Amino acid sequence: GDSVTQMEGPVTLSEEAFLTINCTYTATGYPSLFWYVQYPGEGLQLLLKATKADDKGSNKGFEATYRKETTSFHLEKGSVQVSDSAVYFCALSDLIQGAQKLVFGQGTRLTINP
Amino acid sequence: DAGVTQSPTHLIKTRGQQVTLRCSPISGHKSVSWYQQVLGQGPQFIFQYYEKEERGRGNFPDRFSARQFPNYSSELNVNALLLGDSALYLCASSGDGQGTDTQYFGPGTRLTVL
Repeated sequence: GDSVTQMEGPVTLSEEAFLTINCTYTATGYPSLFWYVQYPGEGLQLLLKATKADDKGSNKGFEATYRKETTSFHLEKGSVQVSDSAVYFCALSDLIQGAQKLVFGQGTRLTINP
Repeated sequence: DAGVTQSPTHLIKTRGQQVTLRCSPISGHKSVSWYQQVLGQGPQFIFQYYEKEERGRGNFPDRFSARQFPNYSSELNVNALLLGDSALYLCASSGDGQGTDTQYFGPGTRLTVL
């Protein structure tokens, strides 16, 4: 079945550092790919998405490119801020037996120190 | 516009009891999905409903059931609660629930089973 694998956490960086969180996926079809962010005690917020190969999603300085050849959707940001501290989830969306199902990775906890 | 709303925010139950969680989708959205997020893990798909019909079900026992009302709001019911049902229950809404459609999440209901 479909699956998503994220890099192991937690990740701790200093403010203004470069961020990469790796995400790879396995899917039988052609899924859409998402990054969601979860702040403490809250639900999931959509960060960015890409719906087909070579699409680049971007939002709030974060970027990720849908790479079909490497089945990857790595999240990057050039200069992180303390406010970026949260848990980040990579997910794929596919139609499975008529249902739109989101399959999530295990999440990567990011802490940014001032 | 209001986002996805869920009630209650927190809930404490004892083993064997039954619980009902409620969700109101974004105005204009016709699809509602439910996910279970156990602490430290990514959300797991439970159900998707579209136009009051169940479209799909994840790998959850029959103790879990749901329904969607004519106004597209939804309820998730869990019977015979077990300790392992303690989790954050997330509701997500989308327009038509197709593969490229974005799912927007509510803040969740935190269920604790004692």
